[in-house]
Amino acid sequence: DTGVSQNPRHKITKRGQNVTFRCDPISEHNRLYWYRQTLGQGPEFLTYFQNEAQLEKSRLLSDRFSAERPKGSFSTLEIQRTEQGDSAMYLCASSLATVETQYFGPGTRLLVL
Amino acid sequence: EDQVTQSPEALRLQEGESSSLNCSYTVSGLRGLFWYRQDPGKGPEFLFTLYSAGEEKEKERLKATLTKKESFLHITAPKPEDSATYLCAVQASGGYQKVTFGTGTKLQVIP
Repeated sequence: DTGVSQNPRHKITKRGQNVTFRCDPISEHNRLYWYRQTLGQGPEFLTYFQNEAQLEKSRLLSDRFSAERPKGSFSTLEIQRTEQGDSAMYLCASSLATVETQYFGPGTRLLVL
Repeated sequence: EDQVTQSPEALRLQEGESSSLNCSYTVSGLRGLFWYRQDPGKGPEFLFTLYSAGEEKEKERLKATLTKKESFLHITAPKPEDSATYLCAVQASGGYQKVTFGTGTKLQVIP
């Protein structure tokens, strides 16, 4: 039974570049979540999918951020025109629709130079 | 807006010295309160979900309890491998899936 996986684990990019992260949830989980975590803080909710539908988006998710889950399986999070303030750990989590508990992946650490 | 406050920010214990971590929360109707453990550079690892006041759950040296305004994570006879940041989070009722996290308590257990 594999857990949530995320790729890449680390990404270094220059300001202004676009980056894309991938999340593969636990196979039978139909809910998928993206969070952002900066040093010394707890994870902050960004967005949530049920199957392929994006049902919730945080105010933190500016128009430079876009997330997709095209077939209700894996998800991608794209950041366009990255800024230094986007440097953070991006976490993905998944859950069953019938259970509130979310299970997290290892995260993708982004550094914007 | 949902709020979670954890205390202390950091805690240093001798091996075997029991203690408790506190999580105070404000939420418009609680659907669930969660405890996670996070090691440096890794994603949060699920520990417990609590749903209603009076509920308790245990796992090895950890015990989580819940009241209407607070949750406690009791650590009995901790070992160095219990060193980590412990995160508390809440999910409100009303159909939203957003989970609000506290900033965590960084626990160090010294041999």
